[in-house]
Amino acid sequence: DTGVSQDPRHKITKRGQNVTFRCDPISEHNRLYWYRQTLGQGPEFLTYFQNEAQLEKSRLLSDRFSAERPKGSFSTLEIQRTEQGDSAMYLCASSSRGGASYEQYFGPGTRLTVT
Amino acid sequence: AQSVTQPDIHITVSEGASLELRCNYSYGATPYLFWYVQSPGQGLQLLLKYFSGDTLVQGIKGFEAEFKRSQSSFNLRKPSVHWSDAAEYFCAVYGGATNKLIFGTGTLLAVQP
Repeated sequence: DTGVSQDPRHKITKRGQNVTFRCDPISEHNRLYWYRQTLGQGPEFLTYFQNEAQLEKSRLLSDRFSAERPKGSFSTLEIQRTEQGDSAMYLCASSSRGGASYEQYFGPGTRLTVT
Repeated sequence: AQSVTQPDIHITVSEGASLELRCNYSYGATPYLFWYVQSPGQGLQLLLKYFSGDTLVQGIKGFEAEFKRSQSSFNLRKPSVHWSDAAEYFCAVYGGATNKLIFGTGTLLAVQP
């Protein structure tokens, strides 16, 4: 199966620690997105890459958050100095170029718990 | 600003009964609309999409949705619900130049035997 994969699936960390999540998109997809989903809410957009270029960042992405996609393939999302409010599901999605670019395919998510 | 409203937070239906989940959107141009389903602890699976053309679109798992521009709605329907349909359902609109999906708050579907 060549769907979107995310690692780890679950992460428990103490407040103040740094965490990093990885997303591997569908191999032929050049667009990659990060979303955050808190309990009882729909996913909220964080950031968007086209190939290796980060083209948009949400205001939700504070200075403690950084995302990279160094070779236009996998992406990492790092949260520095985690806070309890960072506890959420972090979802990655990818889409292809051209006419199907609007269809985003999601990974299983990384659930972060900050204690 | 673009937005999506799902008025029903929680719905319970009996197995075999019909289902309609409501979605209203706010978008200046012709919207690209989506329905996703999320099982507990899982990511989102695309059920169906509307880009243009026929306003009644068919999706996976026997779901369909109807785009009604005059009502700014894109309601999801299924004629006969199965117990395995119990999940959370999200309506979303594509944010155009911003390349993001804007989601509603979701509707949690419970299915009674």
